[in-house]
Amino acid sequence: GQQLNQSPQSMFIQEGEDVSMNCTSSSIFNTWLWYKQDPGEGPVLLIALYKAGELTSNGRLTAQFGITRKDSFLNISASIPSDVGIYFCAGPGGGGADGLTFGKGTHLIIQP
Amino acid sequence: NAGVMQNPRHLVRRRGQEARLRCSPMKGHSHVYWYRQLPEEGLKFMVYLQKENIIDESGMPKERFSAEFPKEGPSILRIQQVVRGDSAAYFCASSSLDRDSPLHFGNGTRLTVT
Repeated sequence: GQQLNQSPQSMFIQEGEDVSMNCTSSSIFNTWLWYKQDPGEGPVLLIALYKAGELTSNGRLTAQFGITRKDSFLNISASIPSDVGIYFCAGPGGGGADGLTFGKGTHLIIQP
Repeated sequence: NAGVMQNPRHLVRRRGQEARLRCSPMKGHSHVYWYRQLPEEGLKFMVYLQKENIIDESGMPKERFSAEFPKEGPSILRIQQVVRGDSAAYFCASSSLDRDSPLHFGNGTRLTVT
């Protein structure tokens, strides 16, 4: 089945720094999604990408759909404490018409 | 993730008991997905349902697990004779199959089997 590899697995950064994380897949995707999960909560959709090469922003977050359609990147600029959490990439597959396959997540930890 | 309601938020069961997890999708959504999340892992697909129909249960264990989405009322994920390995967070998501409306998740039910 499809596999998504996220890196890094975890990041320890200082408040105010920029963050970059990425996700690669073993197969071509037509959609890339980025979710954030806070402790004890469900994943919340941050950005959805539907076209190869697409660059989409949501406030301080920017995500790109890789040209090869096998990767995606998420950047967070000027990190703040509430950015702490687990960031998951997801793509189609895993069951059902809208079902998703998830990466294992990137844990973002911000040191004040 | 506002809109998809799951209850209970936390559920503790002894080995051998039954666990029933409930999910009410977002208003206007008729497609429900159940996912399981183990500690330090991503979400794994279990089952996809539409009203009164199981469409894809390829991710659900063949024994002890069942799901339903009746015409009226919430979707139910049922785990019979729970074992310690069933301890996990179970998330429900709903969609309307609109391309611009990806899955929206509830806050999950955290099942602990003692």
